[in-house]
Amino acid sequence: DVKVTQSSRYLVKRTGEKVFLECVQDMDHENMFWYRQDPGLGLRLIYFSYDVKMKEKGDIPEGYSVSREKKERFSLILESASTNQTSMYLCASTVEGIYTEAFFGQGTRLTVV
Amino acid sequence: KQEVTQIPAALSVPEGENLVLNCSFTDSAIYNLQWFRQDPGKGLTSLLLIQSSQREQTSGRLNASLDKSSGRSTLYIAASQPGDSATYLCAVPTGANNLFFGTGTRLTVIP
Repeated sequence: DVKVTQSSRYLVKRTGEKVFLECVQDMDHENMFWYRQDPGLGLRLIYFSYDVKMKEKGDIPEGYSVSREKKERFSLILESASTNQTSMYLCASTVEGIYTEAFFGQGTRLTVV
Repeated sequence: KQEVTQIPAALSVPEGENLVLNCSFTDSAIYNLQWFRQDPGKGLTSLLLIQSSQREQTSGRLNASLDKSSGRSTLYIAASQPGDSATYLCAVPTGANNLFFGTGTRLTVIP
C-alpha cells in the first residue's frame, strides 16, 4: 500500500522560529511536492522536487525553502515563521513522467502564534 | 491559465441517494484528471484517476467520467452512505510539476 507520511499532524510555533516540516514516501517516487491549503484559496503549490537535490519554485515560494537530500524525503522549511503562514500543509508524491496519480500525506496543521 | 470549477460548493442528500458531483476545466489539453476525497482536517485520498484517453473509471460505488472536449468530469456516487460525507476535489495537471485543484464540493449524507 502506497504511503506518504508527514512527521506531524499538528504544530504550534512562535513568530520568528525556524520550522521544519518533514515528508517521507515509500514508493520510490521521483517527484515530491509541498502544497498549502487555505479556506477560499484551495491548494497552492509551494515547491516541487523532481530528483534528489533538485527543486523548482511553485506559485507561492516566498518565505519557504526546501531540502531533498534523499529520494524518499522532502523537507519544507519556514525560515522565520510568520502568522500568515498558519495553514494546512500537504505533501504529495508521483512517479516520473507525464503526471501520474498523486498520493498525499495526512497533512500538517501549522499554527504560528 | 487552467481554471477548475466545482459546482455545487456544498450538497446534502439523504442516505441511499445516488448523486453526481461536477468538475469543469477551461483548458482541455490535459493528460488526466484525478478525483480526491478529503475528510475534515486530514490529507487527500486518491479516489480515481482518469487518463485523457479514457471516458470512464470505476471503483466500487464510484464512477468518474471525463469529456475532454467539453471540459467536464463527473463523479457519480451510488447508494450514498453517511461515511461518504467529506469534501471531494478534482484536479488536473499542468505540465509535469503542478496540479490545478478545484475548490471542492462538501458532501453531507444524512442518515
